[in-house]
Amino acid sequence: GESVGLHLPTLSVQEGDNSIINCAYSNSASDYFIWYKQESGKGPQFIIDIRSNMDKRQGQRVTVLLNKTVKHLSLQIAATQPGDSAVYFCAEIGEKLTFGTGTRLTIIP
Amino acid sequence: DTGVSQDPRHKITKRGQNVTFRCDPISEHNRLYWYRQTLGQGPEFLTYFQNEAQLEKSRLLSDRFSAERPKGSFSTLEIQRTEQGDSAMYLCASSLSGRGNEQFFGPGTRLTVL
Repeated sequence: GESVGLHLPTLSVQEGDNSIINCAYSNSASDYFIWYKQESGKGPQFIIDIRSNMDKRQGQRVTVLLNKTVKHLSLQIAATQPGDSAVYFCAEIGEKLTFGTGTRLTIIP
Repeated sequence: DTGVSQDPRHKITKRGQNVTFRCDPISEHNRLYWYRQTLGQGPEFLTYFQNEAQLEKSRLLSDRFSAERPKGSFSTLEIQRTEQGDSAMYLCASSLSGRGNEQFFGPGTRLTVL
């Protein structure tokens, strides 16, 4: 079946450095994606979204890149802070959300 | 705090018992979703409602699971004859209707079946 998945399960980054989290999807018809952040004991929290008519979208300290040719998207977090430590999921948006497995980002002080 | 609340936050039960969880969505949201999340995995869709109508159910939702949203506001998810494999975080989300409207998640109910 269709799936949304991530390349790496864990990522450790020095505080202040930039981080990049990757996600691959298999449904070529997918046209709308969201990145979620999930902290321990909490539900997923919206970070940023992107539609397929865009290659790049920027938010505050975050940038999402979408490469439709290879069905890949990434989340870049600039100048990471301890509060960025969490699990990050990409999700495809349809009538429901289809989530990938998640990447645990750890910020090293 | 997203405005979506779930109760209880934690539930420990013995295998074979029934459990019921409650979700209170953001008041103006007409859509309500249930997801299940196991350790290290992303949330998996279970079912969703638009107002009081249950519009879609996942194959994950066995006949031991039932969800209701009787007045189009809060929702309950009941699991009958719980099994150890039901242990998971059960997440509720709400949104306005329409594809692409942001879903706001509650904190989840963590179920442990002994």
